[in-house]
Amino acid sequence: EADIYQTPRYLVIGTGKKITLECSQTMGHDKMYWYQQDPGMELHLIHYSYGVNSTEKGDLSSESTVSRIRTEHFPLTLESARPSHTSQYLCASSELGGDQPQHFGDGTRLSIL
Amino acid sequence: RKEVEQDPGPFNVPEGATVAFNCTYSNSASQSFFWYRQDCRKEPKLLMSVYSSGNEDGRFTAQLNRASQYISLLIRDSKLSDSATYLCVVNSNTGTASKLTFGTGTRLQVTL
Repeated sequence: EADIYQTPRYLVIGTGKKITLECSQTMGHDKMYWYQQDPGMELHLIHYSYGVNSTEKGDLSSESTVSRIRTEHFPLTLESARPSHTSQYLCASSELGGDQPQHFGDGTRLSIL
Repeated sequence: RKEVEQDPGPFNVPEGATVAFNCTYSNSASQSFFWYRQDCRKEPKLLMSVYSSGNEDGRFTAQLNRASQYISLLIRDSKLSDSATYLCVVNSNTGTASKLTFGTGTRLQVTL
């Protein structure tokens, strides 16, 4: 079982609020990722990191931002949430190396009213 | 053309059936391949890696055909608990980076 944790599991909040989704892993993985997935739809990579102080944008443009100050922690922030941000956000991590699979957290289901 | 394409679903099969999923990828430089399983409203979970020689894990068999750029997953004696979406995942190295690309998934529904 992968040791990667996301909080909160569910968040319902009003428009305009600042939100931070937490993701932590205890496996010492260098690479971490954030995906966005709507129900019944495919995963879209929105951010990734190769290590501390490394952050890159993914394939899908997102208004969110990320930071990687510690290896184990990769939070995602929305400065001003809007209904269009309603989705499931999945965090993942993997070891360095091209043949390493990703391990996912349980996800955060975000609903912006 | 998508980088990773999968069989359209859903596949509705009776319990005990054998079902096969195919997946094609467009980047011939792709180096590693995986099958993930995702239950409804849950996170994807690694089912198995796919090795060049093909590999088996219980009722599940994965095969890779590099020449034709496709990957397959065979499920034998399917169980109700196999009902899920199966994601084909391809890892490609792009210079100094590696990129994991997920397919859209194929939904399997096993019925009594």
